[in-house]
Amino acid sequence: DSGVTQTPKHLITATGQRVTLRCSPRSGDLSVYWYQQSLDQGLQFLIQYYNGEERAKGNILERFSAQQFPDLHSELNLSSLELGDSALYFCASSVQIADTQYFGPGTRLTVL
Amino acid sequence: GDSVTQMEGPVTLSEEAFLTINCTYTATGYPSLFWYVQYPGEGLQLLLKATKADDKGSNKGFEATYRKETTSFHLEKGSVQVSDSAVYFCALTWSGAGSYQLTFGKGTKLSVIP
Repeated sequence: DSGVTQTPKHLITATGQRVTLRCSPRSGDLSVYWYQQSLDQGLQFLIQYYNGEERAKGNILERFSAQQFPDLHSELNLSSLELGDSALYFCASSVQIADTQYFGPGTRLTVL
Repeated sequence: GDSVTQMEGPVTLSEEAFLTINCTYTATGYPSLFWYVQYPGEGLQLLLKATKADDKGSNKGFEATYRKETTSFHLEKGSVQVSDSAVYFCALTWSGAGSYQLTFGKGTKLSVIP
């Protein structure tokens, strides 16, 4: 158990819908990362937050957004969902930006 | 940009066999290197890491040495067990712009048979 929690574990929804994925980092960790794991693209970095501020963006679609709250938990919002958004979404956290990242168990999103 | 190349899988070995999973990288600067493991139905777990050239990371019998001259970080284990069956990801992180996001290889699936 890494100490990073993600909810829900599974999510099934329809095209065009909007969902919110939640991540609670390890106690004391200030940095949160979101990654997407899909069969065709592999593991890709989406976005990073540090102490409530957006720090870096990767291959994140405009339909996706995220935020980190004052209690340091983070949410990833996915809207206008398409079939191709079906994937595993991982959250990772680290104490500081340059420290080792520890991953949560992931949220499996299925878009039907 | 930065990239990681891993040997294609799947890899099937008998129990107690020697394991090598090759990993090479391309990066500007001096990245930190990692091996993560994903067991079936689970998230990613850090297996080992190395932060500078010639460092050796080790954990649970697995080892990898950061070779700057060959830009490699090959994973080895002397005697695999059935419980080592998983997908192994090589990754690097380096800050070119203040972030330290991980760049992953495509993963190598290892199956160990009794």
